Order: sequence, then C-alpha cells, then structure tokens
Amino acid sequence: DVKVTQSSRYLVKRTGEKVFLECVQDMDHENMFWYRQDPGLGLRLIYFSYDVKMKEKGDIPEGYSVSREKKERFSLILESASTNQTSMYLCASSPVDSQTGELFFGEGSRLTVL
Amino acid sequence: AQSVAQPEDQVNVAEGNPLTVKCTYSVSGNPYLFWYVQYPNRGLQFLLKYITGDNLVKGSYGFEAEFNKSQTSFHLKKPSALVSDSALYFCATWRGDTGRRALTFGSGTRLQVQP
Repeated sequence: DVKVTQSSRYLVKRTGEKVFLECVQDMDHENMFWYRQDPGLGLRLIYFSYDVKMKEKGDIPEGYSVSREKKERFSLILESASTNQTSMYLCASSPVDSQTGELFFGEGSRLTVL
Repeated sequence: AQSVAQPEDQVNVAEGNPLTVKCTYSVSGNPYLFWYVQYPNRGLQFLLKYITGDNLVKGSYGFEAEFNKSQTSFHLKKPSALVSDSALYFCATWRGDTGRRALTFGSGTRLQVQP
C-alpha cells in the first residue's frame, strides 16, 4: 500500500522558533509537495520538488524553505515561526507527470504557533 | 493562470437524495480536472479525474462528475447520498509545465448528509 508519512500530527511552537516538518514516501515517487490548508482558502501550494535537490516555489513560499536531499524525504522548514503560520500542513507525492492526477497525501501536521 | 472555483462553502442534503457539489474552471488548453475528498482528521483522497473522453466520469464510492465545456463546469454528483459521504470535497486542476506540475485546488465544499 502506498504511504506518505508526516512525522508529527500535532505541534505547538513559539513565535520565532525554527520548525521542521518532515515527510517520507515509500513509493519511489519523483514529485513531492507541501500544501497548507486553511478554512475557506482550500489547499495552497507552498513548495514542490520534482527531483532530488530540485525545488520550485508554489503560491505562498514566503516564510518557508524546503529541503530534499533524498528522493523519499521532503522537509518543510519555517525559519522563524509566526502566528500566521498556524495551520494544517499536508505533504503529498506523485510519479512525474502522473496522468491520473493522483497525488498521495499524508495525514497532515497541525501546527500551532503561540 | 489555471484555476478552479467552488462557489458553495457547504452543501446540505438528506440521506438517499441526490447530491451535487459544484466546480467551475478557468483553464487554457485542454482541461485536466480532478476531485478529492477529505474525511475528518485525514489527508486527501483521490476520487476521480477528467482528462479526455466521455463527459461523465465515474469514480470511487459511487461518485461521478459531469464535464461541461460550454459552462466550464465539472460538478461532482452522486445519485443517492449516504451519511458517510459527509466530508470536505475539493476540485483541482494542473498548473505548471510538463515535468514541473502541481495541483491547484479550489476552496473546498463541506458536504453534510443528514440521516
């Protein structure tokens, strides 16, 4: 069974802290994605990666960075967390140019920044 | 820019009645359209896709979607709703160039099916 695992389901951090959200997939997928989900706004793309060490900005990259040193792992980094980054973060993966359009999602990481 | 819109924040329907969740699209070129579902406290799951071919697309859990080019719509439908269909539904389309594509999602529609 395909699996995307996000390391933490719930995190509480303080303003200014550095936060790491980890995502691992076991499907040998080329593409990996980080989305942010907020009520009424749907899912917004933060960053995605189409290959190891390759990344591309999404719609809302400000305040975030990413790292992909290995194919199976894609990390989202908040250099200095702020309260407006309190949100649900969803990681996903897919084969390159998946014709089905199917992304495989993790269960999400709910981050609260105090 | 490629985009989709979901005009309804919430849809309420009685169990056993037909349901429709609306989506409109703004896409240059051939549209690639998708529906995803999110059950409480879970990640998103793929339901169905339209790429080419028949305007009525069948997907998982008895859902189907109707592609209408003249109305630029891709509405999700089910003939008979179940309480267990209550969830958050997202319409999506591809954005970006070949090899560097990601999905862009609508704002979501919460479906409540009442017993």
